[in-house]
Amino acid sequence: SQQGEEDPQALSIQEGENATMNCSYKTSINNLQWYRQNSGRGLVHLILIRSNEREKHSGRLRVTLDTSKKSSSLLITASRAADTASYFCAEGNAGKSTFGDGTTLTVKP
Amino acid sequence: DAGVIQSPRHEVTEMGQEVTLRCKPISGHDYLFWYRQTMMRGLELLIYFNNNVPIDDSGMPEDRFSAKMPNASFSTLKIQPSEPRDSAVYFCASSLSGKSYEQYFGPGTRLTVT
Repeated sequence: SQQGEEDPQALSIQEGENATMNCSYKTSINNLQWYRQNSGRGLVHLILIRSNEREKHSGRLRVTLDTSKKSSSLLITASRAADTASYFCAEGNAGKSTFGDGTTLTVKP
Repeated sequence: DAGVIQSPRHEVTEMGQEVTLRCKPISGHDYLFWYRQTMMRGLELLIYFNNNVPIDDSGMPEDRFSAKMPNASFSTLKIQPSEPRDSAVYFCASSLSGKSYEQYFGPGTRLTVT
């Protein structure tokens, strides 16, 4: 069963705007990962944040983690049409990852 | 590196037939994962291997599903007999010990069982 839950399920923004997606989880984690999936493709690993980290950056991506609230957020700044994809969070624990249902992001040019 | 390779990319079969999906992980990776993705159930982990040994197969839906990893460069997922509800996209992913959570996904096999 999927434990991570992304919010919102779908998000539509204009190019240049920022996009924020949230993920909630239920169990203790070793880490939390974010992946991107373009239509018809496999998932691509974006960033991993460990349970003892609170914030992490990678290019235009910023991830935060609040273990007390069991939640994480992914911020994409200055979005581009090429960012259109589904974004998944995954709880990492005991060697495996449990994926949420994803947020579908549409960036309009 | 060519990345994770899966074959076939598309498979259409009739109910009751045996289906074999194949995966070649990235060279040097010692973790291999099989996932299934559907609209209804999302992305589900079926089984994963470490150094060719199955570690957790609790996600395998039933005895009709089996997976093997005879060597470090090849794995199969077999469904026998197949049923329409097995229709899904099946992904293989691999990762490296020490970065086992940074998984590299293959392009997937889209299975349709009629």
